[in-house]
Amino acid sequence: GEDVEQSLFLSVREGDSSVINCTYTDSSSTYLYWYKQEPGAGLQLLTYIFSNMDMKQDQRLTVLLNKKDKHLSLRIADTQTGDSAIYFCAERGYSGAGSYQLTFGKGTKLSVIP
Amino acid sequence: KAGVTQTPRYLIKTRGQQVTLSCSPISGHRSVSWYQQTPGQGLQFLFEYFSETQRNKGNFPGRFSGRQFSNSRSEMNVSTLELGDSALYLCASSRGGGQGSYGYTFGSGTRLTVV
Repeated sequence: GEDVEQSLFLSVREGDSSVINCTYTDSSSTYLYWYKQEPGAGLQLLTYIFSNMDMKQDQRLTVLLNKKDKHLSLRIADTQTGDSAIYFCAERGYSGAGSYQLTFGKGTKLSVIP
Repeated sequence: KAGVTQTPRYLIKTRGQQVTLSCSPISGHRSVSWYQQTPGQGLQFLFEYFSETQRNKGNFPGRFSGRQFSNSRSEMNVSTLELGDSALYLCASSRGGGQGSYGYTFGSGTRLTVV
């Protein structure tokens, strides 16, 4: 079945860049996502990338996709203390009958040191 | 445009009881998916409803059920609660088909504690 792997922790200094990595197994995934979760909150969509793209940039966020290696990364430039949160990588897989479902990694806890 | 509304935000129930959680999707969205989030298992897919029909179901026991109404609002029900059902339950709203159907917006979740 589908599986999504992420490292569990990342610690960076304020102002540095953060890079969160993810690997996935479903080669038929058409969309891949990055969500952010702050304590006690739901999931906030940060960005997504379509599988025929290699890169997507959105302000401080850069997503890189290596489809051959099934590797996805999220780079946050000029990381701020407000970026401290858990970041989830997710792939969208087809389940049949017109239905899709998201498979999530366990999440990477980003800690930003002032 | 209003976001995804989940009610209640918090619930405390006793083992053996049943519970109903509600999710109102974004206006115009016809698909509602439910996910369970626990520290041990992470985020797991429960089921998806589209136009009042369950289109997909994850690997959960039959105690977990749901439904969707004609206005796309969805409810999920858990019967005979167990301690292990304590979790954050999240619902995701999407168009469910056609252009733009790849966007999933999550609600803030319902935190269920079973004692």
